[in-house]
Amino acid sequence: AQSVTQLDSQVPVFEEAPVELRCNYSSSVSVYLFWYVQYPNQGLQLLLKYLSGSTLVKGINGFEAEFNKSQTSFHLRKPSVHISDTAEYFCAVSDRGGYNKLIFGAGTRLAVHP
Amino acid sequence: ETGVTQTPRHLVMGMTNKKSLKCEQHLGHNAMYWYKQSAKKPLELMFVYNFKEQTENNSVPSRFSPECPNSSHLFLHLHTLQPEDSALYLCASSQKGQGNTEAFFGQGTRLTVV
Repeated sequence: AQSVTQLDSQVPVFEEAPVELRCNYSSSVSVYLFWYVQYPNQGLQLLLKYLSGSTLVKGINGFEAEFNKSQTSFHLRKPSVHISDTAEYFCAVSDRGGYNKLIFGAGTRLAVHP
Repeated sequence: ETGVTQTPRHLVMGMTNKKSLKCEQHLGHNAMYWYKQSAKKPLELMFVYNFKEQTENNSVPSRFSPECPNSSHLFLHLHTLQPEDSALYLCASSQKGQGNTEAFFGQGTRLTVV
């Protein structure tokens, strides 16, 4: 079984500042890793995913994440945030042999202030 | 229309009512999911369907009854719900197969039980 821990429930940041949203996972098998974003009253949209290969993954809207197997982490970063990045961010994991069933973390609310 | 479509977007129902949530995917996927998103809690996987067969039921109360008549449509039938069932219900789809791992989400149905 897999589990995901998002270490911060809320992250306030000023516009144009860098941000890191932390995610750690636990699994007894190899996994795929994902970050999704949810804007108010919307469903979830994929930001980026790690399947294999390079541990640094680039996604949409200028976000990137780095897979660290030894630390079982998959932290999300952006060098300069915008007001429009204000949203809920979810880290998720799925095992490589299953039906792409996603297990989610509790989410991190990113609040970007002017 | 493309992607994953959920109807209705909002639903208010009494505890004695019977209603259904509908999900339709136009992506040619072979797996569909229902998730429940409650305030302050991680997304909870409720049901998984693969090739129209239910492969997972995560101890969901029987007042929630899923139906998958074909690989493009998924329903969630609701009856005698409780106020604590009020939540955002998200439908997702994906394609089982190596390398095809991400789930696509609908915008959700905001359910309020009164």
